[in-house]
Amino acid sequence: GESVGLHLPTLSVQEGDNSIINCAYSNSASDYFIWYKQESGKGPQFIIDIRSNMDKRQGQRVTVLLNKTVKHLSLQIAATQPGDSAVYFCAEGNAGNMLTFGGGTRLMVKP
Amino acid sequence: DSGVTQTPKHLITATGQRVTLRCSPRSGDLSVYWYQQSLDQGLQFLIQYYNGEERAKGNILERFSAQQFPDLHSELNLSSLELGDSALYFCASSATLAGTYEQYFGPGTRLTVT
Repeated sequence: GESVGLHLPTLSVQEGDNSIINCAYSNSASDYFIWYKQESGKGPQFIIDIRSNMDKRQGQRVTVLLNKTVKHLSLQIAATQPGDSAVYFCAEGNAGNMLTFGGGTRLMVKP
Repeated sequence: DSGVTQTPKHLITATGQRVTLRCSPRSGDLSVYWYQQSLDQGLQFLIQYYNGEERAKGNILERFSAQQFPDLHSELNLSSLELGDSALYFCASSATLAGTYEQYFGPGTRLTVT
C-alpha cells in the first residue's frame, strides 16, 4: 500500500535528530500553503498551514517557514520519531480553494 | 480518521471496462475534490464539486466524469479504462468554497487495470 513509488527524493535521518523538508512553489500569487503527511496506504493528512502574510508558524514539534522572495517553503520536524516516516507534500492554495501539490519527499527515520 | 469515506478500497478490472468510485465527504462539507496519484506524477487534481455543481476542472480526461448528488456524496466514473489509469484515486472535502483551503482526504481507492 505505498503512496508514491520510487521516484521521490528521500531524506534519511536518525531518530531524535531534526528533519528539514524543503519545497519550491511556483505561483507567487498563492496566498496559503499546507504541508501534508502521507503514510503508506493512507490518504494525505494535514500537518500545518501558513498564510502568505506570515513567514513562520509553529505547531507541535513542527515549524513551517515561508520565504516568498525565493518562493520556498520548509517543514522542520523536531526530534524526529519513527512514526514520522512518511511522504510529505507541500501544497499551495490559489483562488477558488484550489490546491496545487508538490512532488513529495519521502522521510525515512532510522532507529 | 478524516471523516471522508471512499469505496471500494481496491478495484481490479480489465482494459476497456468502466468503473465507479464513490466518496462521502465529512459531515457538513460542501466541496468535494478528486485526485489521481500515480507512481511518477504525485497528486494530480481532477475535478471539484461544490454543493452539487462542478466548480473546477484539472487534468481530467474526457473518459472520466464525476457528479455530486443532493446528499453531497460524489462519484467518479472512469470509462474505456487503459493500463495507465492504474493509480490511487483520492477524494477530499472542505468546508466552504471561499477562504478555506484545508482539504481532508479519504483513504483512497486503488485501481488496477489489467
